[in-house]
Amino acid sequence: EPEVTQTPSHQVTQMGQEVILHCVPISNHLYFYWYRQILGQKVEFLVSFYNNEISEKSEIFDDQFSVERPDGSNFTLKIRSTKLEDSAMYFCASRRRGGAGTDTQYFGPGTRLTVL
Amino acid sequence: GIQVEQSPPDLILQEGANSTLRCNFSDSVNNLQWFHQNPWGQLINLFYIPSGTKQNGRLSATTVATERYSLLYISSSQTTDSGVYFCAVTTQGGSEKLVFGKGTKLTVNP
Repeated sequence: EPEVTQTPSHQVTQMGQEVILHCVPISNHLYFYWYRQILGQKVEFLVSFYNNEISEKSEIFDDQFSVERPDGSNFTLKIRSTKLEDSAMYFCASRRRGGAGTDTQYFGPGTRLTVL
Repeated sequence: GIQVEQSPPDLILQEGANSTLRCNFSDSVNNLQWFHQNPWGQLINLFYIPSGTKQNGRLSATTVATERYSLLYISSSQTTDSGVYFCAVTTQGGSEKLVFGKGTKLTVNP
């Protein structure tokens, strides 16, 4: 069964550094998402992406965040200048077809980001 | 925005017991998914169930959309069922984002 994959599984960085988290969505999926989960808390939506542009973003997704689909298979989340509070598990998800909310979002295994 | 409430917050069972987890939501939904977060932090899809009933092995789920709740049933629980179970919804009106509840932490003891 096709899966969403994410790399790295764990990223440690110094405060103020840039990080890029990588995701490979399921190949025939059209909609892509990033979520995050601070340790012990619930999962929160960051951004959705369709047709090479952001379709929706949350208040968390401020100017320090950006997303890109550079080559038709990868989907990346960049954090320009990391803060301590960016430490979290970041999940990538993808969905197959159109019609808002009419199909399952499949989640990757996550990247645990630790900012020191 | 929509509120998603899960109960109970914590549940401790002996292996072999059955359990019911509940998810209440405050508005009409397009999508409802149940996830299991394992001890490694991975979110495992259990069900896509905006309405009706589905079964997958020892797990089953029912969503009564008109009454705005969903139930996840775990029968003959095993230690590997331990983890956190999340309910997540998207609202009607075009938003893509899944709104998660706070989860039910399940511990199954041998």
